[in-house]
Amino acid sequence: EPEVTQTPSHQVTQMGQEVILRCVPISNHLYFYWYRQILGQKVEFLVSFYNNEISEKSEIFDDQFSVERPDGSNFTLKIRSTKLEDSAMYFCASSSTGTDYNEQFFGPGTRLTVL
Amino acid sequence: KNQVEQSPQSLIILEGKNCTLQCNYTVSPFSNLRWYKQDTGRGPVSLTIMTFSENTKSNGRYTATLDADTKQSSLHITASQLSDSASYICVVRLSGGYQKVTFGTGTKLQVIP
Repeated sequence: EPEVTQTPSHQVTQMGQEVILRCVPISNHLYFYWYRQILGQKVEFLVSFYNNEISEKSEIFDDQFSVERPDGSNFTLKIRSTKLEDSAMYFCASSSTGTDYNEQFFGPGTRLTVL
Repeated sequence: KNQVEQSPQSLIILEGKNCTLQCNYTVSPFSNLRWYKQDTGRGPVSLTIMTFSENTKSNGRYTATLDADTKQSSLHITASQLSDSASYICVVRLSGGYQKVTFGTGTKLQVIP
């Protein structure tokens, strides 16, 4: 069964460093998403991406964040200068359509620890 | 403000027992509501989707209900198993083609032998 994969599973970085989190969405999906979950808190939407551009983003997704689909399979989230409060689990998701009823399939997440 | 609240925050039940989890939302305009199961350290997995016109839907031992008038949903788990131990998250979607969804706070369920 096709699934969303994410690498690395755990990333440790120093405050101020740039990190790139990688995701491989399900192959025939067209819509891609990033979410984050700070430890003990609820999952929060960051951004959605379709047709090589951002379709929606939340207030969390500020200028420190960027997304890219560098090739036909990867979808990346870059944090330019990490802060302590960026420590969280980051989930990538993908869906085949953008309708209200589309099911988003989530990856296993990347745990980002900023020291 | 669009919010999704769940109760209880955590729950411990004996294997074989039933339980019901609650979700209240203020999201508007409402499109649909999904219940997700999230195992520790994993991404959420969809269990069921409820649209405005649906009152109840089952998926195996999981039965979801929706009251769109009171903006409440429940997830009933029948004959619980140890593998049901997970967080259960209610996620509400706005209508109008928005991709953003609002996650609930989750209920952490622990099934013990």
